[in-house]
Amino acid sequence: NAGVMQNPRHLVRRRGQEARLRCSPMKGHSHVYWYRQLPEEGLKFMVYLQKENIIDESGMPKERFSAEFPKEGPSILRIQQVVRGDSAAYFCASSPAPSGGYNEQFFGPGTRLTVL
Amino acid sequence: GNSVTQMEGPVTLSEEAFLTINCTYTATGYPSLFWYVQYPGEGLQLLLKATKADDKGSNKGFEATYRKETTSFHLEKGSVQVSDSAVYFCALMNTGNQFYFGTGTSLTVIP
Repeated sequence: NAGVMQNPRHLVRRRGQEARLRCSPMKGHSHVYWYRQLPEEGLKFMVYLQKENIIDESGMPKERFSAEFPKEGPSILRIQQVVRGDSAAYFCASSPAPSGGYNEQFFGPGTRLTVL
Repeated sequence: GNSVTQMEGPVTLSEEAFLTINCTYTATGYPSLFWYVQYPGEGLQLLLKATKADDKGSNKGFEATYRKETTSFHLEKGSVQVSDSAVYFCALMNTGNQFYFGTGTSLTVIP
């Protein structure tokens, strides 16, 4: 029973390039969350998605960042025209559909993005 | 708003020492509180949780009690081991299914 999978684990991009980060949720999970961890900081919520629908994107920067979770395939976090300040660890978490009360999120190992 | 403040690190302890990592929170309503642990190169793993006031979460010898009167959720362990070396994150979840994390406390346990 595989956990949350993220790839690549490490990604190096030059300024101005695009970065695509992938997240495959745990089997049976239909909800995905993306978090960003800047150096020396805690994780900050970015976006919450279910299949083909963005539920909450209040933590996403207004420009250059987008996320999707298609009906088939992994969730993708896309960063266009990367800048040095985008260098961070990006974590994905997944959960089953909420059923009232707390819904545990299971975290992937993260993708470490370095922008040169 | 919602926020979590936790004790700054790094913390270095000798094996079998007593551990406390302080965590306080600000939230509206009645959040659930969590401690996550991150081992080097890995993602976050849930260590323990408490969903209402006075609940005590416990796991692997770690404990934390949800104190609404002091808005705190301090992590404790009576006798740490080298294998406990990791980064510990305090977090809360309120309505909306999103976590609010503290900045993390790095713990190193030396033999």
